[in-house]
Amino acid sequence: GQNIDQPTEMTATEGAIVQINCTYQTSGFNGLFWYQQHAGEAPTFLSYNVLDGLEEKGRFSSFLSRSKGYSYLLLKELQMKDSASYLCAVLPFSGGYQKVTFGIGTKLQVIP
Amino acid sequence: SAVISQKPSRDICQRGTSLTIQCQVDSQVTMMFWYRQQPGQSLTLIATANQGSEATYESGFVIDKFPISRPNLTFSTLTVSNMSPEDSSIYLCSVLLQGKAYEQYFGPGTRLTVT
Repeated sequence: GQNIDQPTEMTATEGAIVQINCTYQTSGFNGLFWYQQHAGEAPTFLSYNVLDGLEEKGRFSSFLSRSKGYSYLLLKELQMKDSASYLCAVLPFSGGYQKVTFGIGTKLQVIP
Repeated sequence: SAVISQKPSRDICQRGTSLTIQCQVDSQVTMMFWYRQQPGQSLTLIATANQGSEATYESGFVIDKFPISRPNLTFSTLTVSNMSPEDSSIYLCSVLLQGKAYEQYFGPGTRLTVT
């Protein structure tokens, strides 16, 4: 089965840096997604990590360690509009039947 | 990327009735899914919509309750049958694209309230 853990809530200050962690235990692993979801809206794709290491996309970076079953999303220069839920999700298989499994999501509140 | 539209965006339905949700994608995609998201919760996969064959349902979801059609590679429908208040949720259509890496996109969702 799949087990994905992330903190339920975090608070950070505008202009600061925040790291949202995600740990997973899955039967088979292909890669890990991060999504942003504002209240009342659909999730928006942020990143997909397959290989170990850090991938940077502007203010957002995502890190993966396959051996440790660990990932984090790093948000720099936080803005008020970054207040949202951040969902970690795992793609367990690399071929055949594909199914993305989601964590519960981390609700990030950015304060002035 | 992919642009996904869903209809209706929201509906209020009476107990015992059925609602069909439509999902349209702007390009042909192989992998299409239906999710449910209840208030304050994460996403739960209902089923994978397979083109040309029966959908693959996840544990806890059955075809009689959530029949799915996938007549082609750009369109799918999900029906919520014999609704009860417990079916009140947001229903999301999603596609998984495989290129150099995977990318997953979601439709705007259908907010269903059952009274």
